[in-house]
Amino acid sequence: GNSVTQMEGPVTLSEEAFLTINCTYTATGYPSLFWYVQYPGEGLQLLLKATKADDKGSNKGFEATYRKETTSFHLEKGSVQVSDSAVYFCALSGNSQAGTALIFGKGTTLSVSS
Amino acid sequence: ETGVTQTPRHLVMGMTNKKSLKCEQHLGHNAMYWYKQSAKKPLELMFVYNFKEQTENNSVPSRFSPECPNSSHLFLHLHTLQPEDSALYLCASRPSYSPVAEAFFGQGTRLTVV
Repeated sequence: GNSVTQMEGPVTLSEEAFLTINCTYTATGYPSLFWYVQYPGEGLQLLLKATKADDKGSNKGFEATYRKETTSFHLEKGSVQVSDSAVYFCALSGNSQAGTALIFGKGTTLSVSS
Repeated sequence: ETGVTQTPRHLVMGMTNKKSLKCEQHLGHNAMYWYKQSAKKPLELMFVYNFKEQTENNSVPSRFSPECPNSSHLFLHLHTLQPEDSALYLCASRPSYSPVAEAFFGQGTRLTVV
Protein backbone atom coordinates (compact mmCIF):
# COMPACT_ATOMS: atom_id res chain seq x y z
CA GLY A 1 0.00 0.00 0.00
CA ASN A 2 0.88 3.66 -0.11
CA SER A 3 3.08 5.07 2.64
CA VAL A 4 5.23 8.06 3.58
CA THR A 5 8.47 8.00 5.56
CA GLN A 6 9.90 11.15 7.11
CA MET A 7 13.15 11.70 8.91
CA GLU A 8 12.89 11.45 12.67
CA GLY A 9 13.08 14.66 14.63
CA PRO A 10 13.46 16.85 16.43
CA VAL A 11 15.56 19.01 14.17
CA THR A 12 17.26 21.84 16.04
CA LEU A 13 18.83 24.72 14.08
CA SER A 14 20.12 28.21 14.61
CA GLU A 15 18.49 31.11 12.82
CA GLU A 16 19.64 31.50 9.19
CA ALA A 17 20.77 27.87 8.95
CA PHE A 18 19.88 25.68 5.97
CA LEU A 19 17.04 23.23 6.46
CA THR A 20 16.41 19.87 4.88
CA ILE A 21 13.68 17.48 6.01
CA ASN A 22 13.74 14.21 4.12
CA CYS A 23 10.61 12.52 2.85
CA THR A 24 10.32 9.37 0.77
CA TYR A 25 7.20 7.61 -0.37
CA THR A 26 5.87 4.32 -1.62
CA ALA A 27 2.93 4.47 -3.98
CA THR A 28 1.41 2.89 -7.03
CA GLY A 29 0.73 5.10 -9.99
CA TYR A 30 1.39 8.83 -9.86
CA PRO A 31 0.58 10.32 -6.47
CA SER A 32 0.37 14.00 -5.62
CA LEU A 33 2.73 15.09 -2.84
CA PHE A 34 2.26 17.68 -0.12
CA TRP A 35 4.02 19.35 2.76
CA TYR A 36 1.89 20.59 5.66
CA VAL A 37 2.98 22.69 8.65
CA GLN A 38 1.43 22.72 12.11
CA TYR A 39 2.17 25.60 14.47
CA PRO A 40 1.61 25.08 18.20
CA GLY A 41 -2.06 24.85 19.13
CA GLU A 42 -3.28 24.93 15.54
CA GLY A 43 -4.42 22.60 12.79
CA LEU A 44 -2.39 21.59 9.74
CA GLN A 45 -1.87 24.12 6.98
CA LEU A 46 -0.78 23.35 3.45
CA LEU A 47 2.76 24.64 2.89
CA LEU A 48 3.32 23.48 -0.70
CA LYS A 49 2.46 20.72 -3.13
CA ALA A 50 3.50 19.06 -6.40
CA THR A 51 1.25 16.95 -8.58
CA LYS A 52 3.64 15.39 -11.11
CA ALA A 53 7.22 14.30 -11.47
CA ASP A 54 9.85 17.09 -11.58
CA ASP A 55 7.35 19.68 -10.32
CA LYS A 56 8.74 22.03 -7.69
CA GLY A 57 6.41 23.34 -5.03
CA SER A 58 7.42 26.52 -3.22
CA ASN A 59 6.00 28.85 -0.60
CA LYS A 60 7.40 31.24 2.06
CA GLY A 61 10.97 30.36 1.08
CA PHE A 62 10.37 26.61 1.37
CA GLU A 63 10.84 24.34 -1.65
CA ALA A 64 10.39 20.68 -2.49
CA THR A 65 10.87 18.84 -5.80
CA TYR A 66 8.92 15.75 -6.79
CA ARG A 67 11.57 13.15 -7.69
CA LYS A 68 10.01 10.04 -9.12
CA GLU A 69 13.33 8.28 -9.72
CA THR A 70 14.20 8.44 -6.02
CA THR A 71 10.56 8.51 -4.76
CA SER A 72 11.40 11.56 -2.69
CA PHE A 73 9.97 14.98 -1.86
CA HIS A 74 12.51 16.59 0.47
CA LEU A 75 11.65 19.94 2.05
CA GLU A 76 14.33 22.66 1.97
CA LYS A 77 14.74 26.24 3.08
CA GLY A 78 17.86 28.29 2.64
CA SER A 79 17.63 30.38 5.82
CA VAL A 80 15.28 29.43 8.63
CA GLN A 81 13.73 31.84 11.08
CA VAL A 82 12.55 31.39 14.65
CA SER A 83 9.00 31.70 13.35
CA ASP A 84 9.51 28.51 11.28
CA SER A 85 9.53 26.44 14.47
CA ALA A 86 6.68 23.98 13.96
CA VAL A 87 5.88 20.39 13.06
CA TYR A 88 6.19 19.51 9.35
CA PHE A 89 4.25 16.68 7.73
CA CYS A 90 4.85 15.09 4.35
CA ALA A 91 1.76 13.56 2.72
CA LEU A 92 0.62 11.89 -0.45
CA SER A 93 -2.59 11.41 -2.32
CA GLY A 94 -3.03 8.37 -4.51
CA ASN A 95 -4.61 9.10 -7.85
CA SER A 96 -6.69 5.98 -7.97
CA GLN A 97 -9.74 7.19 -6.12
CA ALA A 98 -10.99 10.66 -5.36
CA GLY A 99 -12.14 11.45 -1.85
CA THR A 100 -9.72 9.10 -0.11
CA ALA A 101 -7.76 10.58 2.75
CA LEU A 102 -4.23 11.85 2.37
CA ILE A 103 -1.56 9.58 3.81
CA PHE A 104 0.70 11.40 6.25
CA GLY A 105 4.18 10.80 7.56
CA LYS A 106 4.82 10.88 11.30
CA GLY A 107 5.84 14.53 11.30
CA THR A 108 9.16 16.23 12.01
CA THR A 109 9.49 18.83 14.74
CA LEU A 110 11.68 21.80 13.84
CA SER A 111 13.01 24.07 16.54
CA VAL A 112 14.88 27.23 15.51
CA SER A 113 16.75 29.32 18.06
CA SER A 114 18.02 32.88 17.72
CA GLU B 1 -8.61 30.82 8.28
CA THR B 2 -8.75 27.70 6.15
CA GLY B 3 -12.50 27.54 5.53
CA VAL B 4 -12.98 24.64 7.95
CA THR B 5 -14.35 25.60 11.35
CA GLN B 6 -14.32 23.37 14.40
CA THR B 7 -16.16 23.96 17.64
CA PRO B 8 -15.48 23.97 20.46
CA ARG B 9 -11.76 24.71 20.43
CA HIS B 10 -11.32 23.23 23.91
CA LEU B 11 -13.40 20.67 25.78
CA VAL B 12 -13.02 19.09 29.18
CA MET B 13 -15.35 16.21 29.92
CA GLY B 14 -15.81 13.52 32.52
CA MET B 15 -15.78 9.86 31.62
CA THR B 16 -19.54 9.58 32.02
CA ASN B 17 -20.41 12.68 29.99
CA LYS B 18 -21.79 12.89 26.47
CA LYS B 19 -20.54 15.65 24.23
CA SER B 20 -20.27 16.41 20.52
CA LEU B 21 -17.62 17.99 18.33
CA LYS B 22 -18.73 19.97 15.31
CA CYS B 23 -17.02 20.62 12.00
CA GLU B 24 -18.32 22.91 9.28
CA GLN B 25 -17.01 23.80 5.83
CA HIS B 26 -18.45 25.90 3.03
CA LEU B 27 -15.77 25.11 0.48
CA GLY B 28 -18.04 22.90 -1.59
CA HIS B 29 -16.09 19.78 -0.64
CA ASN B 30 -17.81 16.42 -0.53
CA ALA B 31 -15.20 14.45 1.41
CA MET B 32 -14.74 15.02 5.13
CA TYR B 33 -12.47 13.37 7.67
CA TRP B 34 -11.87 13.02 11.39
CA TYR B 35 -8.30 12.62 12.65
CA LYS B 36 -6.94 12.08 16.15
CA GLN B 37 -3.61 13.59 17.13
CA SER B 38 -2.14 12.41 20.41
CA ALA B 39 1.09 13.62 21.95
CA LYS B 40 4.11 11.82 20.53
CA LYS B 41 2.00 9.72 18.16
CA PRO B 42 1.41 9.95 14.41
CA LEU B 43 -1.75 11.47 13.02
CA GLU B 44 -4.49 8.82 13.11
CA LEU B 45 -7.27 8.77 10.53
CA MET B 46 -10.54 7.85 12.26
CA PHE B 47 -13.39 8.24 9.77
CA VAL B 48 -13.92 9.17 6.12
CA TYR B 49 -17.15 10.46 4.61
CA ASN B 50 -17.84 10.92 0.91
CA PHE B 51 -21.13 12.54 -0.11
CA LYS B 52 -22.46 12.02 3.44
CA GLU B 53 -21.75 8.28 3.34
CA GLN B 54 -19.15 6.75 5.63
CA THR B 55 -16.53 5.08 3.46
CA GLU B 56 -13.87 4.36 6.04
CA ASN B 57 -13.79 3.50 9.75
CA ASN B 58 -10.33 2.67 10.99
CA SER B 59 -11.28 0.36 13.86
CA VAL B 60 -12.42 3.25 16.02
CA PRO B 61 -14.08 2.29 19.33
CA SER B 62 -17.84 2.64 19.40
CA ARG B 63 -17.63 5.34 22.09
CA PHE B 64 -16.84 7.61 19.12
CA SER B 65 -19.86 8.01 16.86
CA PRO B 66 -19.62 10.16 13.73
CA GLU B 67 -22.52 11.81 11.96
CA CYS B 68 -22.62 13.58 8.60
CA PRO B 69 -26.05 15.11 7.99
CA ASN B 70 -24.93 16.92 4.84
CA SER B 71 -21.74 17.56 2.90
CA SER B 72 -20.99 20.74 4.86
CA HIS B 73 -21.24 19.40 8.40
CA LEU B 74 -19.56 16.62 10.31
CA PHE B 75 -20.04 15.71 13.96
CA LEU B 76 -18.22 13.43 16.34
CA HIS B 77 -20.41 12.28 19.23
CA LEU B 78 -18.52 11.24 22.33
CA HIS B 79 -19.71 9.12 25.23
CA THR B 80 -18.08 7.22 28.10
CA LEU B 81 -14.61 8.21 26.98
CA GLN B 82 -11.38 7.14 28.64
CA PRO B 83 -8.48 9.37 29.74
CA GLU B 84 -6.38 7.97 26.86
CA ASP B 85 -8.87 9.57 24.46
CA SER B 86 -7.53 12.97 25.43
CA ALA B 87 -6.07 14.42 22.24
CA LEU B 88 -6.43 17.04 19.53
CA TYR B 89 -9.26 16.07 17.18
CA LEU B 90 -8.89 17.47 13.69
CA CYS B 91 -11.47 17.72 10.96
CA ALA B 92 -10.52 18.07 7.31
CA SER B 93 -12.24 18.28 3.94
CA ARG B 94 -11.29 17.73 0.29
CA PRO B 95 -13.03 17.83 -3.06
CA SER B 96 -14.18 14.30 -3.81
CA TYR B 97 -13.68 14.67 -7.57
CA SER B 98 -10.04 15.79 -7.52
CA PRO B 99 -7.45 13.24 -6.42
CA VAL B 100 -4.70 15.88 -6.72
CA ALA B 101 -6.38 18.37 -4.39
CA GLU B 102 -5.09 19.12 -0.94
CA ALA B 103 -7.04 18.67 2.27
CA PHE B 104 -8.10 21.68 4.31
CA PHE B 105 -7.93 21.33 8.08
CA GLY B 106 -9.76 22.99 10.92
CA GLN B 107 -7.90 24.28 13.96
CA GLY B 108 -8.94 21.27 15.99
CA THR B 109 -10.68 20.60 19.27
CA ARG B 110 -8.39 19.98 22.24
CA LEU B 111 -10.20 17.31 24.27
CA THR B 112 -9.31 16.46 27.84
CA VAL B 113 -11.05 13.52 29.51
CA VAL B 114 -10.94 13.61 33.31
